[in-house]
Amino acid sequence: NAGVMQNPRHLVRRRGQEARLRCSPMKGHSHVYWYRQLPEEGLKFMVYLQKENIIDESGMPKERFSAEFPKEGPSILRIQQVVRGDSAAYFCASSPGSRVYEQYFGPGTRLTVT
Amino acid sequence: RKEVEQDPGPFNVPEGATVAFNCTYSNSASQSFFWYRQDCRKEPKLLMSVYSSGNEDGRFTAQLNRASQYISLLIRDSKLSDSATYLCVVGGDYKLSFGAGTTVTVRA
Repeated sequence: NAGVMQNPRHLVRRRGQEARLRCSPMKGHSHVYWYRQLPEEGLKFMVYLQKENIIDESGMPKERFSAEFPKEGPSILRIQQVVRGDSAAYFCASSPGSRVYEQYFGPGTRLTVT
Repeated sequence: RKEVEQDPGPFNVPEGATVAFNCTYSNSASQSFFWYRQDCRKEPKLLMSVYSSGNEDGRFTAQLNRASQYISLLIRDSKLSDSATYLCVVGGDYKLSFGAGTTVTVRA
């Protein structure tokens, strides 16, 4: 039973480029969450999605960041025109529909902006 | 004010020692409480849920004080493999709020 999968594991982008982070939830999980962890800080909630729906994006920066979870395929976190402050670890978690507190985390994508 | 505050440590303890630490949370409406473990900035892994009556899982004991909005974790008979960062996590509707973590290092 594969866990939450994220790719790429490491991503290097120059300032101004776009970053696309992918997350495949655990089998049978239809709820996806994205969190960001800045150096020396705790994980911060960014967005909560169900298939084809954004439920809560209150933790997403207003500009340059977007997320989707299409009917088919992985969830995508997209960061346009990256800046150095976007360098962080981005973790995706998934949960079964009925127990949102059982969030299982993927290995994360470490984004470095040069 | 941060939603979840933890003493960052580090706590350096010898093998076999007992180590305890805690966190406080600001949202009195929080519904669920957890301790997660994070190794070397890898993904957080659920260590245990925390219940109002207190609960134990092997060498780990967690306590919750809702009135004081305070959660604690105690590790008995520390092992080298317990070296990690322990994250205090509080849940609302579906969001998890994480503390920045308490680093524990167990030495031989």
